[in-house]
Amino acid sequence: EVQLVESGGGLVQPGGSLKLSCAASGFSFSDSAIHWVRQASGKGPEWVGRIRTKAKSYATAYAASVKGRFTISRDDSKNTAYLQMNSLKIEDTAVYYCTRLTGEEAFNIWGQGTMVTVSS
Amino acid sequence: DIVMTQSPDSLAVSLGERATINCKSSQSVLYSSNNKNYLAWFQQKPGQPPKVLIYWASTRESGVPDRFSGSGSGTDFTLTISSLQAEDVAVYYCQQYYSPPLTFGGGTKVEIK
Repeated sequence: EVQLVESGGGLVQPGGSLKLSCAASGFSFSDSAIHWVRQASGKGPEWVGRIRTKAKSYATAYAASVKGRFTISRDDSKNTAYLQMNSLKIEDTAVYYCTRLTGEEAFNIWGQGTMVTVSS
Repeated sequence: DIVMTQSPDSLAVSLGERATINCKSSQSVLYSSNNKNYLAWFQQKPGQPPKVLIYWASTRESGVPDRFSGSGSGTDFTLTISSLQAEDVAVYYCQQYYSPPLTFGGGTKVEIK
C-alpha cells in the first residue's frame, strides 16, 4: 500500500523539543522530495519545509517562521524522514503532515497527520 | 515570497451547476526550462489532510473525477468544477511549488446553494 505515516507528536512545553517521523511505504521514497506541512485548528495549511533527494544533495529549505529552530532530515535506508523541532512556541501548535514531490507527481501522497500541542 | 491570492473566499452553487475558483500568484510560477506551471489545487474536508486534485496547473490526479479541471499559466489560474456534486462541499486551496517557501492561497469554501 502506498502511504506515509507520521508519528511522534504530543504535548510539549514552550521551549521544548520534539522529533516527528514520516515513514514511507509502497513507492520509491529515495526518489521523492519530502515536504512537511502544518495546519493549526481552523486555519489553512502552512508549508514548513522540505528535503530533496540524494541526487539534489539532500538540500533543505524552511519557512521563515521555523528557520533556525526546525531541521528536516531523512534516512533512505529506512524510508523515513524526520522533523526535529526545537525551541517550540505556542504558535507551533498544529497538525503536522508529510507529503512528497517528484519530478512527475506532486503532493499526491499524504500522511494522516500527527498533532503537536505546545502548552504550559 | 510568492503570494497566492484566491477568489472568492466562499462560493454557493446549486447542485449540477458550475463552480469557478481563481488563483493569482504575485510572480510567474512557469518554469521556462520545462514549460511547467508549478501550481497545485487541493480539496480539504474537515478532519482530513489536503487532497491534491490538480498539479502542474492542469494535470488531474489519478482517481479525481473529470468534472474537476485546472487551467491557466504564468500568474493566473482557475479551478473549475463543471457540475457540482454534494460530495464536493469542501475548502479548496491553490499552492505554488515553484520556489520555497511554498505558499498556499487563503482558501475558497464551496457550499451548496
